[in-house]
Amino acid sequence: KNQVEQSPQSLIILEGKNCTLQCNYTVSPFSNLRWYKQDTGRGPVSLTIMTFSENTKSNGRYTATLDADTKQSSLHITASQLSDSASYICVVSAIWGKLQFGAGTQVVVTP
Amino acid sequence: GAGVSQSPSNKVTEKGKDVELRCDPISGHTALYWYRQSLGQGLEFLIYFQGNSAPDKSGLPSDRFSAERTGGSVSTLTIQRTQQEDSAVYLCASSPSGLAGGVGKTQYFGPGTRLLVL
Repeated sequence: KNQVEQSPQSLIILEGKNCTLQCNYTVSPFSNLRWYKQDTGRGPVSLTIMTFSENTKSNGRYTATLDADTKQSSLHITASQLSDSASYICVVSAIWGKLQFGAGTQVVVTP
Repeated sequence: GAGVSQSPSNKVTEKGKDVELRCDPISGHTALYWYRQSLGQGLEFLIYFQGNSAPDKSGLPSDRFSAERTGGSVSTLTIQRTQQEDSAVYLCASSPSGLAGGVGKTQYFGPGTRLLVL
C-alpha cells in the first residue's frame, strides 16, 4: 500500500475559482513534506516544504497546511489561473531520508 | 500489477568510475522521467522521454550524464567518471499517455537507486 495517498486523482476547475488538494500519509518517522508542481514533460517545481513543527506555509497563491498528528496535508490554490494547470505531487520524507511519493493530482483550469 | 522497478537499489562506486542505473517502467507507459535527489535537497529533473520523440535532456547537469530508452521501454541512465557530488538517490517515474485533464498523466515513481561515490 502506498504510504502517500493523494486525492482527488484529477479535477477540473474554472479560472478564478479556488481548489484544495489532499495528501494523507503514513510515513514514519516523519521528517518533512513537500508539494511540487509539475508541467508535462518538465521537471517538478517545489512549492512548499514543511517540517513537523510547521502547520502552514504559503507561496503566492499556494498555501499548504500540515497536521502531523493526523498525518494530513492540503494544498490550497487561490484564484486559479490557466497556468496552474499541472500535476501536483506530494512527497514525504522519513527521517533517514527515504522518500515516498504520492501519485499526484492532475489539475486542469479552464477559461 | 507490477510498478516501476529500478536496479540496483544501492550502488557504491569509486570516484572516476562509470555507473549504469536501470529503470523498468510500467508496461505500456509512454512517458519516462529521471530525477535525482541529493541529501536534503528537492527533486531535480534530469531527462524526459515521451514515446519516440527526441528526449528532453535539459535537466542533465553535465555531459557526463546520458540516458537511453530502448524500444520505448527500459531506460538506462549512465554517469561517466563519477564525482562525489553525484551521490544522490536517482528516481525514475513513468506515466501512460492520456487525455488532457485525465489521470493518464499521473506519474508512478520507482523506489530509486541510492548512489554513493567514494
